[in-house]
Amino acid sequence: GEDVEQSLFLSVREGDSSVINCTYTDSSSTYLYWYKQEPGAGLQLLTYIFSNMDMKQDQRLTVLLNKKDKHLSLRIADTQTGDSAIYFCAEVGRGSTLGRLYFGRGTQLTVWP
Amino acid sequence: KAGVTQTPRYLIKTRGQQVTLSCSPISGHRSVSWYQQTPGQGLQFLFEYFSETQRNKGNFPGRFSGRQFSNSRSEMNVSTLELGDSALYLCASSLRDQETQYFGPGTRLLVL
Repeated sequence: GEDVEQSLFLSVREGDSSVINCTYTDSSSTYLYWYKQEPGAGLQLLTYIFSNMDMKQDQRLTVLLNKKDKHLSLRIADTQTGDSAIYFCAEVGRGSTLGRLYFGRGTQLTVWP
Repeated sequence: KAGVTQTPRYLIKTRGQQVTLSCSPISGHRSVSWYQQTPGQGLQFLFEYFSETQRNKGNFPGRFSGRQFSNSRSEMNVSTLELGDSALYLCASSLRDQETQYFGPGTRLLVL
């Protein structure tokens, strides 16, 4: 659970869909999270998915989980300028590191009007 | 319910000084975790406390320490500050350990 990877930048036009991708390392991770960080702020929990699920939808957000490929994605429908922020994927540690979150470097989403 | 609160929000210190940061978890939450965020290293885990016991510790030098009180509030202390300690320090709370973590706004520390 120590090497979560994300692409660093994504630009989309307002109204389009955004897809932010993440790969994680520990196939036995129980929960995977998406957090959002706006400038100068802390992390806001957006959504999470339990490892026995393939998909979770929450209003404009859709999370897809491919356990075989250890791939997680966050789709934001009808992206708005207010969605511009950094999005972090995180997995929960296992064994001796249970409970601690391992984060990717974050994807900077820029939404153009 | 009020969210996680952290004080102070901003802090400027000089090298060699020490600093104490405070975190009040969401009411009813008993687990508190601390993370350091820097542009170079990203988000790194510092430690986790549950019921006043440190359950987990990240890979930081002994200058970084913490504690949790009986009311679940937590403090972290950094002694002998170095320039590289400049960072955003984030606190997160969860109902119990190993559960979903909710973050506070962070304390931005600048070491000169």
